[in-house]
Amino acid sequence: SQTIHQWPATLVQPVGSPLSLECTVEGTSNPNLYWYRQAAGRGLQLLFYSVGIGQISSEVPQNLSASRPQDRQFILSSKKLLLSDSGFYLCAWTRHPGGTDTQYFGPGTRLTVL
Amino acid sequence: AQSVTQLDSQVPVFEEAPVELRCNYSSSVSVYLFWYVQYPNQGLQLLLKYLSGSTLVESINGFEAEFNKSQTSFHLRKPSVHISDTAEYFCAVSDQTGANNLFFGTGTRLTVIP
Repeated sequence: SQTIHQWPATLVQPVGSPLSLECTVEGTSNPNLYWYRQAAGRGLQLLFYSVGIGQISSEVPQNLSASRPQDRQFILSSKKLLLSDSGFYLCAWTRHPGGTDTQYFGPGTRLTVL
Repeated sequence: AQSVTQLDSQVPVFEEAPVELRCNYSSSVSVYLFWYVQYPNQGLQLLLKYLSGSTLVESINGFEAEFNKSQTSFHLRKPSVHISDTAEYFCAVSDQTGANNLFFGTGTRLTVIP
């Protein structure tokens, strides 16, 4: 069966510090991968998605970046965190593109920027 | 572009009472529709989805939703709620193209009162 992992589970970082959040998927190959941010009262915002290694699409301009160094690994990064980067970050995957597939979400990382 | 509106940010309801969580969408093309549920401090899980065919779809835990094209709605209902249904519920649309991107509403927090 497939599983999706995210770490760390929680993170408290000062403003201006770097960030690296990791997401890995097991039990499948060539998944589509997604990063979302959930801010209080704002639902889920799609940040990045990837259809393959090294292929990253950005949905929202910001000081975050994403990379996919391996087929089942998706990393969210920042060089300098802002207060507004606080939120709950969720990684998700699907098998196929095209809109019909269920998205499977990881447990999330709660980031607090102070 | 697609958008989703969930008018009710919070819905309190007594145990065993019926509930309806409203969802309206806007899109210039055909869409697929989803309801996801998020339990506290967890990622999202698919509750049910409409892709085609019967406009009434059901989940395994008693929820149902009906696709109404003329009203561009996909309201979620349950005839009798349980304490365990307390969670946040997100409506989402996908536009049948591209990388299976979902557009989420801002969520409705359902609180079941004993």
